[in-house]
Amino acid sequence: KAGVTQTPRYLIKTRGQQVTLSCSPISGHRSVSWYQQTPGQGLQFLFEYFSETQRNKGNFPGRFSGRQFSNSRSEMNVSTLELGDSALYLCASSSGTGLDEQYFGPGTRLTVT
Amino acid sequence: GENVEQHPSTLSVQEGDSAVIKCTYSDSASNYFPWYKQELGKRPQLIIDIRSNVGEKKDQRIAVTLNKTAKHFSLHITETQPEDSAVYFCAATNYQLIWGAGTKLIIKP
Repeated sequence: KAGVTQTPRYLIKTRGQQVTLSCSPISGHRSVSWYQQTPGQGLQFLFEYFSETQRNKGNFPGRFSGRQFSNSRSEMNVSTLELGDSALYLCASSSGTGLDEQYFGPGTRLTVT
Repeated sequence: GENVEQHPSTLSVQEGDSAVIKCTYSDSASNYFPWYKQELGKRPQLIIDIRSNVGEKKDQRIAVTLNKTAKHFSLHITETQPEDSAVYFCAATNYQLIWGAGTKLIIKP
């Protein structure tokens, strides 16, 4: 079956702008989680959506938001971009039981100038 | 809330030797402990996981052990090879997956 896809793969934005990233999970998966990864840093959890509802949330400011559609596709939005938001944004899908494998997408590399 | 500590942050071993990465967790209700491997420039992938009702699990050269009393679990890689070079992440979950900070494993030829 097709893997997790993310679009776009690369993005360059200017401080103050906003950006929307998209994630399409594996067919049948109802959970999508978003992570921020910066060089030398681990996986910083942003939030998880399950059946169109935000189920868990990490410690990120309100500038970071997301949503999930009825087909389980998810979007993440970052408003008022800061230089520190430059990172690799990964999404991962799973069936949503909490005890199952997370399948990661290739990520979106966001650069804020 | 749940916290997962992972050590060491960097581990360098000679090819053919064993490598051990340790994680401790704080929430005694955690019942699922996966390990992910992220090679340079690639996405994280699950390599092995263990549930709370099991003390040890093996898959060829990798194994994971779990000590629920002490609240720690470890990844063991034997006969290390160059392709084992990567960043390894542990995680623990009761309802939300909490990640360790990662261990960069370097295999010296």
